[in-house]
Amino acid sequence: DAKTTQPPSMDCAEGRAANLPCNHSTISGNEYVYWYRQIHSQGPQYIIHGLKNNETNEMASLIITEDRKSSTLILPHATLRDTAVYYCIVRVGRGSTLGRLYFGRGTQLTVWP
Amino acid sequence: SAVISQKPSRDICQRGTSLTIQCQVDSQVTMMFWYRQQPGQSLTLIATANQGSEATYESGFVIDKFPISRPNLTFSTLTVSNMSPEDSSIYLCSVMGGGNEKLFFGSGTQLSVL
Repeated sequence: DAKTTQPPSMDCAEGRAANLPCNHSTISGNEYVYWYRQIHSQGPQYIIHGLKNNETNEMASLIITEDRKSSTLILPHATLRDTAVYYCIVRVGRGSTLGRLYFGRGTQLTVWP
Repeated sequence: SAVISQKPSRDICQRGTSLTIQCQVDSQVTMMFWYRQQPGQSLTLIATANQGSEATYESGFVIDKFPISRPNLTFSTLTVSNMSPEDSSIYLCSVMGGGNEKLFFGSGTQLSVL
């Protein structure tokens, strides 16, 4: 019931940009796109979220297509510490489903020296 | 961001016993949640811990197996009852913060049942 599709794995050279794709073709108009990551043996960490506009923060950029059916998380300068499983999640921004995130299998990003 | 402390960080238990996991938050939060992550799998929501009322369980999870307490706005416990090896997982506490827009997670409890 994750409603998103991500590649199971990707790799990236240290210092290069990592671009992680996500398909969410059935997303509804009031559903946000969230990205989390989980470094081995730790709890998931919030990265960024957006509704329809592109977003940027100190960790990453989120590019959402105009039809909102897909998005890309961009880590502009990947480091070894960015090696983690990255989860793309869609969720309703209001109401009783707050916090009830449905995690898919995510993308294992490996950053190599 | 909320600071979440979970105890214990890990435990090894015998089948048939129970373990209570504690979750302490450094600020008052309305919504607290418990997730499970089985080995090699993604996260699954167990329940929403409601302050002053019974927890709301997701499909496939029942109160007898995973009783939850939420005595105040900064604390919750999850008990894994009558454990079997299939209960070996990471159990994660999470809270809603950031203006109800971000979910923050504790570092988890690694449970192994022999």
